[in-house]
Amino acid sequence: EVQLVESGGGLVQPGGSLRLSCAASGFTVSSNYMSWVRQAPGKGLEWVSMIYSVGSTYYADSVRGRFTISRDNSRNTLYLQMNSLTAEDTAVYYCARMVPDCSGGSCHNWFDPWGQGTLVAVSS
Amino acid sequence: DIQMTQSPSSLSASVGDRVTITCRASQSISSYLNWYQQKPGRAPKLLIYAASSLQSGVPSRFSGSGSGTDFTLTISSLQPEDFATYCCQQSYSMPPTFGQGTRLEIK
Repeated sequence: EVQLVESGGGLVQPGGSLRLSCAASGFTVSSNYMSWVRQAPGKGLEWVSMIYSVGSTYYADSVRGRFTISRDNSRNTLYLQMNSLTAEDTAVYYCARMVPDCSGGSCHNWFDPWGQGTLVAVSS
Repeated sequence: DIQMTQSPSSLSASVGDRVTITCRASQSISSYLNWYQQKPGRAPKLLIYAASSLQSGVPSRFSGSGSGTDFTLTISSLQPEDFATYCCQQSYSMPPTFGQGTRLEIK
């Protein structure tokens, strides 16, 4: 079964750091495009970061320079290192695989599967 | 960034009803539009990709349509397990962006 399980969330003070993990099963993280997506309380989903199979990384403007996405191929696990956290980073963080499909003459992509999420609360 | 706007933001309906949710993009995105279902405490679930393709395992009562800037998700006959939040997402350009969600509640 293809599955993602996040961990590492919790309560952290403003300015603090946290590292989220996302363990994958049923597929290989390093062979896929992997993303982090977050959802602040009462808000919609917000894409945070992506790592491509070749290793290139991308970030939302709101987290660039503070967050780092990485992976451990031996553990088949995705990570998100979050530094200099602020209250605006409070959210449920989901990891998700981005599936590309270039059949039919154009390249579409979508997020599937998703993990169940881990809550990050930034507060003093 | 492309902005995605859903309407309505919430909706009350009964089991057996036909329901339509709309998603509008701030610019043309062709058919680069996906739909997800969210339930509290659970992983979001892909329903529709590329505007109208049904994800494997998703019941056929779910359907998607549209192209350009206007898209719809239709549930032909609501079942009890369909009461959830639905959101759209554009995959036309980076960064991927999502609608704010439509909460479907039991009337």
